[in-house]
Amino acid sequence: NAGVTQTPKFRVLKTGQSMTLLCAQDMNHEYMYWYRQDPGMGLRLIHYSVGEGTTAKGEVPDGYNVSRLKKQNFLLGLESAAPSQTSVYFCASRPSAGELFFGEGSRLTVL
Amino acid sequence: AQKVTQAQTEISVVEKEDVTLDCVYETRDTTYYLFWYKQPPSGELVFLIRRNSFDEQNEISGRYSWNFQKSTSSFNFTITASQVVDSAVYFCALRYSGTYKYIFGTGTRLKVLA
Repeated sequence: NAGVTQTPKFRVLKTGQSMTLLCAQDMNHEYMYWYRQDPGMGLRLIHYSVGEGTTAKGEVPDGYNVSRLKKQNFLLGLESAAPSQTSVYFCASRPSAGELFFGEGSRLTVL
Repeated sequence: AQKVTQAQTEISVVEKEDVTLDCVYETRDTTYYLFWYKQPPSGELVFLIRRNSFDEQNEISGRYSWNFQKSTSSFNFTITASQVVDSAVYFCALRYSGTYKYIFGTGTRLKVLA
């Protein structure tokens, strides 16, 4: 079972470049989330979606955009990457009631 | 304010020792959900347990046990007879009813030494 799949797993960007992280889930979950994980800070919510076509801001949304055009996909975009966005990014999904299912993470380095 | 505190940043134990990871939460809501996740060195986040606020029954799963006490707003996690494979970062999380957001603690890194 694939569960939650994130691509790419690793990426190195230069300051100012753009990129998109793709999250795909095959569990028909309504809710999807993007988190970033930084040392000593736990998991911080960037954006989330409660269904196809909807998105909402989390704790740290600045510098990121998201889209949920299809129920199974949740895209995270960086329009102009900054070194402060160097982090490990996790996508998660969940059914209407229950726990989060996480992807394996995507390590992004911005030089 | 809604908050999860894991005051123990890092714990080291010798294999076969018991260890308890603390989790203290703050919420004004009467209906909420608590979770524990494990993040081994490989980096993935693994779900361990979910507990509803209206169910204070403690739970045991093999060497793992969880003590939920609403009176002290705590949801502590105990590993009995720890093993090297238990070495990981453990996160406690809270979701309160009526919100889609999960609030994570900063995690506790557990090192089990052989």
